[in-house]
Amino acid sequence: GAVVSQHPSWVICKSGTSVKIECRSLDFQATTMFWYRQFPKQSLMLMATSNEGSKATYEQGVEKDKFLINHASLTLSTLTVTSAHPEDSSFYICSARLDSHNEQFFGPGTRLTVL
Amino acid sequence: AQKVTQAQTEISVVEKEDVTLDCVYETRDTTYYLFWYKQPPSGELVFLIRRNSFDEQNEISGRYSWNFQKSTSSFNFTITASQVVDSAVYFCALKWSNSGYALNFGKGTSLLVTP
Repeated sequence: GAVVSQHPSWVICKSGTSVKIECRSLDFQATTMFWYRQFPKQSLMLMATSNEGSKATYEQGVEKDKFLINHASLTLSTLTVTSAHPEDSSFYICSARLDSHNEQFFGPGTRLTVL
Repeated sequence: AQKVTQAQTEISVVEKEDVTLDCVYETRDTTYYLFWYKQPPSGELVFLIRRNSFDEQNEISGRYSWNFQKSTSSFNFTITASQVVDSAVYFCALKWSNSGYALNFGKGTSLLVTP
């Protein structure tokens, strides 16, 4: 149990286009999901906290108008990278919090390459 | 400040050697959680262990063991008789009571085990 999926697992897009990444909790409900970003050979950095039914909370330095987060249901959060540029190329990882157990589970990640 | 330091950037060992990965943390909270994750080349995070601040017992799981020392704010991870499959990046992470359940990751230690 407690499986989190991400789609797509990898995506290549042209500069200036928008890309949507989905994060789903497959067998549990998650009122809170997190989005992390990991540049090559670096650590995971928290981008934002996604709360079901309310606005996401962004970490300092993360542009909320560029990284749109929608958490419309208890099992799905989406991250849209708008007007993507090569510097947005990164590995994006989500996690979902299992409320009943105060645990969080990570998705497999999405590798974004912007040409 | 809430911080995790993994001073070892890269470690290279020969198979069957024991290796210890260091993790030093910093937090003002009395209630907090420490984690270790493994990230193989595929990128997916593999959960290894969670330890809360009130449980200083050391843990052993097969070839893996963890040494939690509150006196030195350290949570070190030892792999005994390392194997090639242990090659990965290992992250230590901290969750404190006001972090909203998000994790603060160290920079990671890249472990290379050669035959």
